[in-house]
Amino acid sequence: DVKVTQSSRYLVKRTGEKVFLECVQDMDHENMFWYRQDPGLGLRLIYFSYDVKMKEKGDIPEGYSVSREKKERFSLILESASTNQTSMYLCASIDPSQGGQPQHFGDGTRLSIL
Amino acid sequence: GQNIDQPTEMTATEGAIVQINCTYQTSGFNGLFWYQQHAGEAPTFLSYNVLDGLEEKGRFSSFLSRSKGYSYLLLKELQMKDSASYLCAVRDNGGATNKLIFGTGTLLAVQP
Repeated sequence: DVKVTQSSRYLVKRTGEKVFLECVQDMDHENMFWYRQDPGLGLRLIYFSYDVKMKEKGDIPEGYSVSREKKERFSLILESASTNQTSMYLCASIDPSQGGQPQHFGDGTRLSIL
Repeated sequence: GQNIDQPTEMTATEGAIVQINCTYQTSGFNGLFWYQQHAGEAPTFLSYNVLDGLEEKGRFSSFLSRSKGYSYLLLKELQMKDSASYLCAVRDNGGATNKLIFGTGTLLAVQP
């Protein structure tokens, strides 16, 4: 089974802090994704990466950056946290060579910015 | 633009059948996924359709009509543990990115 691990289930930070959310997958997947999930808005794509050191903006990249130095790890960075970034953050990965395979999700990080 | 619509909430009775609909308008289409998400947990994969027709997996079935931009998830013999959000997601192109566009989810409440 694919295992996608997010470093924290719950996190509380203060406005203006730099925040790192870490995600690790154990299946050598090339594609990795960061989403945020908010009530009534569903999952929205922040950034994705299709290879080491490669990244592309998703639908809502403002206020975020990412890092993919190793294939198994994809980090989401909030450069200067703001209260409107309080949300559930979900990481996912997929092997793009497998056509019908779904994205596999981590358990999520519920981030609160005070 | 890209748009995926599904009902916000549904209620059904234990032991019954429920159908959750999803309509989509996307610039391309390369498969539709259904996920289940219990409160506070990660989405888990339920089904995948890329060709028209019905895919059956135990108590769960999913149907796709590409010409109508329409899918449904059918849950039979409902159990209390089926109370969850059900997410419809479309992969709008192939290639290396495998991006998904998600609907806002349908919150299903199963009552005794």
